[in-house]
Amino acid sequence: KQEVTQIPAALSVPEGENLVLNCSFTDSAIYNLQWFRQDPGKGLTSLLLIQSSQREQTSGRLNASLDKSSGRSTLYIAASQPGDSATYLCAVNYGGSQGNLIFGKGTKLSVKP
Amino acid sequence: DGGITQSPKYLFRKEGQNVTLSCEQNLNHDAMYWYRQDPGQGLRLIYYSQIVNDFQKGDIAEGYSVSREKKESFPLTVTSAQKNPTAFYLCASSIIGGELSQPQHFGDGTRLSIL
Repeated sequence: KQEVTQIPAALSVPEGENLVLNCSFTDSAIYNLQWFRQDPGKGLTSLLLIQSSQREQTSGRLNASLDKSSGRSTLYIAASQPGDSATYLCAVNYGGSQGNLIFGKGTKLSVKP
Repeated sequence: DGGITQSPKYLFRKEGQNVTLSCEQNLNHDAMYWYRQDPGQGLRLIYYSQIVNDFQKGDIAEGYSVSREKKESFPLTVTSAQKNPTAFYLCASSIIGGELSQPQHFGDGTRLSIL
């Protein structure tokens, strides 16, 4: 069974700290991996998408890496801000006819001023 | 602006009632998806559609139905057969095909509760 796990489930850090969120997946034959942000009561905002052929993607203070052989991805957030407080979801696309995403349960991040 | 619009934002269902959640997109995306999110859980796929007049069951389709009469619209009906409908429902869309896979875009969700 294809599963996606995110650790930790919750994380609290002081403002300005660099942090890493972890995502692991059981089946390494992925099509792509996507990181999302979800604010309370809201939909998902796509942050970064890494194709299976790529090792990392960067957008501003965010950097996502992908290591298919070990079944891991990390989301690195530099110089965290209170506005970064949200739940971060990792989702894996195994391709095929569905193209749907297998989601982790998320990491709830709180950045304290 | 292009995007996905879900309505209503909040919906209440009475016992034995069917309710329909709306999802409209103006991104010209081929594929559309419905997910269900329960507290502390990841999203689970209910139904998806890659082309007009065609759709497929996801992992938790029982008690739900969909239609895809237009490319822009993918409504979800929660039937009385769904015994535990209370959840946050999210609609998504994406481009399919091409050399590189494309990200899925999400609406703001509909929160469904039982009266």
